[in-house]
Amino acid sequence: DAGVIQSPRHEVTEMGQEVTLRCKPISGHDYLFWYRQTMMRGLELLIYFNNNVPIDDSGMPEDRFSAKMPNASFSTLKIQPSEPRDSAVYFCASSRQNTEAFFGQGTRLTVV
Amino acid sequence: EDQVTQSPEALRLQEGESSSLNCSYTVSGLRGLFWYRQDPGKGPEFLFTLYSAGEEKEKERLKATLTKKESFLHITAPKPEDSATYLCAVQVYNTDKLIFGTGTRLQVFP
Repeated sequence: DAGVIQSPRHEVTEMGQEVTLRCKPISGHDYLFWYRQTMMRGLELLIYFNNNVPIDDSGMPEDRFSAKMPNASFSTLKIQPSEPRDSAVYFCASSRQNTEAFFGQGTRLTVV
Repeated sequence: EDQVTQSPEALRLQEGESSSLNCSYTVSGLRGLFWYRQDPGKGPEFLFTLYSAGEEKEKERLKATLTKKESFLHITAPKPEDSATYLCAVQVYNTDKLIFGTGTRLQVFP
């Protein structure tokens, strides 16, 4: 398996634009996690899914953020409209229940 | 509130100088504790899983241990290639949330 695949690796966008981050989890994994990493706050859990269903989105900072998982092999995290304070590295991770999570390489988002 | 705290924030070691990293946690119920290594510009890489107090896992120069309130990552005779940020995470029972500490940035000098 190729591991968790995220795209794009880097994204630079202007304030107010819509940004969509994409994730393909490892085949057979039933959990998918979205994290945001910054120097100040470390890795913050934004939302996670079990069997494509959102379980806990309490970490989503505000209504500008939304996430979907239309099927077992694809998830998106959307920010609309984007703001400079959204600049961070966004990670997607997947796991089987009760086992370790595997991370993608991340998307470095810069909002100018 | 479920919480994970790692210390120290940063650690500088001479090659061969053994030390330990600490991860203390407060959770409603622990399903498992995980250690990860993260290199600059990359995603966290899984190292160990610990499930119950008293459990130990080893891999090369690293050994992880677990008690009811904390975990230690012991590094024996480290080498410069062990330089990285080490992250601890807990999976909360009944929710399966995976919550991370802020990490310990380790630098090993030759």
